[in-house]
Amino acid sequence: ILNVEQSPQSLHVQEGDSTNFTCSFPSSNFYALHWYRWETAKSPEALFVMTLNGDEKKKGRISATLNTKEGYSYLYIKGSQPEDSATYLCASLLMTTDSWGKLQFGAGTQVVVTP
Amino acid sequence: DAGITQSPRHKVTETGTPVTLRCHQTENHRYMYWYRQDPGHGLRLIHYSYGVKDTDKGEVSDGYSVSRSKTEDFLLTLESATSSQTSVYFCAIGRDREETQYFGPGTRLLVL
Repeated sequence: ILNVEQSPQSLHVQEGDSTNFTCSFPSSNFYALHWYRWETAKSPEALFVMTLNGDEKKKGRISATLNTKEGYSYLYIKGSQPEDSATYLCASLLMTTDSWGKLQFGAGTQVVVTP
Repeated sequence: DAGITQSPRHKVTETGTPVTLRCHQTENHRYMYWYRQDPGHGLRLIHYSYGVKDTDKGEVSDGYSVSRSKTEDFLLTLESATSSQTSVYFCAIGRDREETQYFGPGTRLLVL
C-alpha cells in the first residue's frame, strides 16, 4: 500500500512548455519530503529535501513547494527540455516509532519531453 | 558522484539458491539502505543499517537478511531465492536518517 501518491503517473510535454505534478503524503507525524530524479538506466539522484511548511526549493528550471498541513508537494519544471525526461520520485519521512528513518516512496511521475 | 558500488551488477540464479548482494561505500556515511524496485511499486525498503551491526527491517523484509560488519559494507542475502524476488536492487547511503540518500548503480537479479 502506497501512502505516498504521485499524480499523474505519466505526462508528455512539448519542449519549451512548463509543467507540474503532485506528491501527496500523510500530513500527521510529517518530518521531511524528498524529491529525486531518475533517468532510465541510471540511479535516482536527489533534487530536494524539504522540511518546513511553505518551503520552496529551486534548482535551475526545477522548483518545488511544500504544504505539510494538507500533505502535498508540487514539482514544477519551467521551459521543459528533452534532458528533463525522467521519472520524478517523491518520498516522505514520518516521525513515528515504526517509520522513523524509513523513506516511503511514491511510484513516480514519468515525464517525457518531446522536441 | 557519491562513492557507492554494488556487486554483482547482474545475476541469474535458480529458485532455492542462496544469493548475496554487496554494497560498498567510500563516503563513511552512517546509514545504508537496501531497496527493491518493481513496476508499479516504486522503491520499497527491504532493510537498513544505522551503524556497524545495527540494522532494522523495512516494509518488504521477509525472505531477506542483512549484515554490516564494517562501515563501508552492507550485505543483502536471499537465503533461498524465489521467483518473486526477481527485481532490481538498489543500495543507498546517507549521512543521517533525514538527509538526502545517494543511490548505487543497482543490481538486476533474475530468479528462474
